[in-house]
Amino acid sequence: ETGVTQTPRHLVMGMTNKKSLKCEQHLGHNAMYWYKQSAKKPLELMFVYNFKEQTENNSVPSRFSPECPNSSHLFLHLHTLQPEDSALYLCASSQEPYNSPLHFGNGTRLTVT
Amino acid sequence: DQQVKQNSPSLSVQEGRISILNCDYTNSMFDYFLWYKKYPAEGPTFLISISSIKDKNEDGRFTVFLNKSAKHLSLHIVPSQPGDSAVYFCAASTGTASKLTFGTGTRLQVTL
Repeated sequence: ETGVTQTPRHLVMGMTNKKSLKCEQHLGHNAMYWYKQSAKKPLELMFVYNFKEQTENNSVPSRFSPECPNSSHLFLHLHTLQPEDSALYLCASSQEPYNSPLHFGNGTRLTVT
Repeated sequence: DQQVKQNSPSLSVQEGRISILNCDYTNSMFDYFLWYKKYPAEGPTFLISISSIKDKNEDGRFTVFLNKSAKHLSLHIVPSQPGDSAVYFCAASTGTASKLTFGTGTRLQVTL
């Protein structure tokens, strides 16, 4: 496998469920990101991990909980979500501190019912 | 307040012609600019970038122009091909990828 892989591709969950999104990068990068893409809005940065340490948390509600066990894997744990959290969740990686482009996965389309 | 704006949500261009996608930004501290392309059901893929020390960067059919005084960025695709039909996102940063700010995207349709 190459690039950035996200699973699952689609997820439907109720507001009381707990689920996790998984991301794995095979590029040897040292930074990983979670982005949210809602309809007609710019991509919103949620979290940044640099060398497994969280360096950014863009005022994301606590119902989203990231985990980065190593520089190749990133999780987003979800619990008690709201319908407005339905969106495309994208994982990305890059090599920092250089100005290298982000490499994105194909995303998880999340629907909260 | 959106710091990176793509004011045209969509653009239709005939195959073989030039496609010009525009992007405006407000933060004068941005020094690195990128264009990403996104097909449905896929993540954005990096297309081309430009640093603020340059005003033009070319890669095959794709050229990005930067006008710092106008805080304006444009992507030219020549000649346009049907496979170029996608959503194009402009992004800008103040030094590292972790500080990227994206625009809302422009949907390009290249017609036969």
